[in-house]
Amino acid sequence: ELKVEQNPLFLSMQEGKNYTIYCNYSTTSDRLYWYRQDPGKSLESLFVLLSNGAVKQEGRLMASLDTKARLSTLHITAAVHDLSATYFCAVDKERWLDGNKLVFGAGTILRVKS
Amino acid sequence: EAGVTQFPSHSVIEKGQTVTLRCDPISGHDNLYWYRRVMGKEIKFLLHFVKESKQDESGMPNNRFLAERTGGTYSTLKVQPAELEDSGVYFCASSQGRDRGYNEQFFGPGTRLTVL
Repeated sequence: ELKVEQNPLFLSMQEGKNYTIYCNYSTTSDRLYWYRQDPGKSLESLFVLLSNGAVKQEGRLMASLDTKARLSTLHITAAVHDLSATYFCAVDKERWLDGNKLVFGAGTILRVKS
Repeated sequence: EAGVTQFPSHSVIEKGQTVTLRCDPISGHDNLYWYRRVMGKEIKFLLHFVKESKQDESGMPNNRFLAERTGGTYSTLKVQPAELEDSGVYFCASSQGRDRGYNEQFFGPGTRLTVL
């Protein structure tokens, strides 16, 4: 059974600081997804990582994927208050079927303090 | 382009009552999914439609849950009768077919269900 673990589950940061959220998964997969959720809102797709060594950056967020270590990281650079949200990683199966279900981590609640 | 919409946004019912949740996917998306997040735990898969057919319903917790997707468009998820443990946030998501090569799913805002 595919399992996904995120840590930390809660992260309180000072503005301007850097930090990393980790996402480990238990079985082979080439595809990893990062989502952001603001309270009461939809899960917003941030990054889709499709291969070993993939790195994607958007603003102050950078995501990477190491399929051999079964690890993805979401790095936050110089945090700002607007980044406060819950961040989820999710994995689906290696082979593309006709739309695979996603298996999610528990989510990381990020609070950026002034 | 309109995103995934869900109705209602909140529902409060008593144990034993029936509730029906609705999801309208992004137009043209063949794949429609239901997920649930209970009490701050992981978001868990419930089931997956391809057009009007159930592709995978392995996550449905029991036979009190019934999902339908009429004509391959919107979907409903009925809980009958509702139990306390059914409380949580129910998310719907949709994605395009296999020609994209990966499965980026687009989520609705969720329906928060409270069973008293």
